[in-house]
Amino acid sequence: QQQVKQSPQSLIVQKGGISIINCAYENTAFDYFPWYQQFPGKGPALLIAIRPDVSEKKEGRFTISFNKSAKQFSLHIMDSQPGDSATYFCAARRSSGSARQLTFGSGTQLTVLP
Amino acid sequence: SQTIHQWPATLVQPVGSPLSLECTVEGTSNPNLYWYRQAAGRGLQLLFYSVGIGQISSEVPQNLSASRPQDRQFILSSKKLLLSDSGFYLCAWSKNRDGYTFGSGTRLTVV
Repeated sequence: QQQVKQSPQSLIVQKGGISIINCAYENTAFDYFPWYQQFPGKGPALLIAIRPDVSEKKEGRFTISFNKSAKQFSLHIMDSQPGDSATYFCAARRSSGSARQLTFGSGTQLTVLP
Repeated sequence: SQTIHQWPATLVQPVGSPLSLECTVEGTSNPNLYWYRQAAGRGLQLLFYSVGIGQISSEVPQNLSASRPQDRQFILSSKKLLLSDSGFYLCAWSKNRDGYTFGSGTRLTVV
């Protein structure tokens, strides 16, 4: 119930295309869903996050779509650029628990071809 | 503003040697602190987390230990490194309803 399943494992997109990464969860106690972007040799950095009271959040070219009934959420990268090439992790956080631990997906390696 | 410092950036250690990785957070108090390990091309494995000084929770049995001697200091240690301890170690902090902020990581190679 603590798992967050992420797909695809890797994704290759042409410059200007749309990149879509999907995540699904089981635990209805999750209340915060962030996406992290990690470049090689660097720590993951928070990219965008959503709470379950909204169905979509957009920041520039990055959009999270959230489907509470299906327990799924996805990251859409519009007009993908070579500089977006990185590993992306979705995550989900329990609403209870003192440490507010995040459960991470397994990651998607995105390559945007020039 | 809050910052997280992690060092060293890279480390090459022989099998059987000890390990000490340090992480400090500035600009906040009583953060939750985390140690993660990332194998090459793989996901993030939570190793330890701490909600306060001296309070350590271990997520997986392993050759490593963690300590929190001060509010904003988190240390990852090993008495004797194994080849399987090689990886990219990440420290992170969080507070309240915020997400995690990760450090820049330590690339550990055990030879």
